Amino acid sequence: AQSVTQPDIHITVSEGASLELRCNYSYGATPYLFWYVQSPGQGLQLLLKYFSGDTLVQGIKGFEAEFKRSQSSFNLRKPSVHWSDAAEYFCAVGGATGFQKLVFGTGTRLLVSP
Amino acid sequence: DVKVTQSSRYLVKRTGEKVFLECVQDMDHENMFWYRQDPGLGLRLIYFSYDVKMKEKGDIPEGYSVSREKKERFSLILESASTNQTSMYLCASSWTEQNYGYTFGSGTRLTVV
Repeated sequence: AQSVTQPDIHITVSEGASLELRCNYSYGATPYLFWYVQSPGQGLQLLLKYFSGDTLVQGIKGFEAEFKRSQSSFNLRKPSVHWSDAAEYFCAVGGATGFQKLVFGTGTRLLVSP
Repeated sequence: DVKVTQSSRYLVKRTGEKVFLECVQDMDHENMFWYRQDPGLGLRLIYFSYDVKMKEKGDIPEGYSVSREKKERFSLILESASTNQTSMYLCASSWTEQNYGYTFGSGTRLTVV
């Protein structure tokens, strides 16, 4: 069965420190992987996506993610966190076409301390 | 800029009322989705549609129905609102041919009193 695990419910990072949010997936075919961010009271915004090719993908707002097939992981990273990055982050996996619905993780809430 | 627009950001309705949540997308996407989001439970799929007049149940369809009469519009209907339907409702849309991910609306915070 397809699934996404985000093992950290909450993470607190100091402003300026680096960030890594973990995502592990289970998918029977070639996975299409996504990270979304949700600011309080808002919808989800796409940060980045991985389809194929280079396993390190760049996204908006200075985020990047690395696809590791051997570990079934797609971790999100940022070298220096800003207070405005405080939000909830969702990892999702799907197939090559829109007929294969995305499966979302339960999210990781990022808190940024001064 | 492409958009998914949800008609209301906040709604307060009474128990037993019929509630309509509207979603419109301007990207000519074939697929549209309704999710509800509750603390600790993540996103749960209520209904989705791959084409006009077509609908399929998601994981939690009970107490809800949907309508898709036009490609750009997907409505979620709460036939008789109950307090346990108090939630954040998110609409999303996507392409069929190639998976580029979903585009989400800003959400509707529904409170049933």
